[in-house]
Amino acid sequence: DAGVIQSPRHEVTEMGQEVTLRCKPISGHNSLFWYRQTMMRGLELLIYFNNNVPIDDSGMPEDRFSAKMPNASFSTLKIQPSEPRDSAVYFCASSLRTSPYEQYFGPGTRLTVT
Amino acid sequence: AQKITQTQPGMFVQEKEAVTLDCTYDTSDPSYGLFWYKQPSSGEMIFLIYQGSYDQQNATEGRYSLNFQKARKSANLVISASQLGDSAMYFCAMRGLETSGSRLTFGEGTQLTVNP
Repeated sequence: DAGVIQSPRHEVTEMGQEVTLRCKPISGHNSLFWYRQTMMRGLELLIYFNNNVPIDDSGMPEDRFSAKMPNASFSTLKIQPSEPRDSAVYFCASSLRTSPYEQYFGPGTRLTVT
Repeated sequence: AQKITQTQPGMFVQEKEAVTLDCTYDTSDPSYGLFWYKQPSSGEMIFLIYQGSYDQQNATEGRYSLNFQKARKSANLVISASQLGDSAMYFCAMRGLETSGSRLTFGEGTQLTVNP
């Protein structure tokens, strides 16, 4: 089975530009998570969805960040406008909503904002 | 609130030896799950092992075992017969099963280096 798929794998953009990160969860999984990983802050949960509905977005840094899950097989994380401090690796993960709820991560998108 | 503490920023082990990576946790949730993930230099996060707070036995998955001591609030990962491919960052994580929804809280990680 295919794992979590993320695109693009690498993104370099200039400050002020819009960035869209994409994620396809594992088929059949009904929870989806967006994380950000930096050296300074480690791994942070930004937002997660259950059955396509956002449940907890308290980790979203500010209004420049938005996430959507229009259906069970696709989610986007958008940053508009991007800033250099947004440079990080962004992971998408998915899980079943049954015990033990282990999350399976995608390969990540390395974002660099210059 | 939940907190995971990994006190070993870096660990070294000789190939074929066993190594223990420490993890302590704090939670007010009476029911919780503990997880370990591996992140090699290529960057992906790989799920290794899970322990439920009410599980009677320590979890094992191949060369990985979880030394769960509930009274001490510790969930150490033991890797037996270390291999060069075990060199990676290892993260301990937990989820409160009753209060935190699906949210995982991660520790800061331990960088393991396996020497030949």
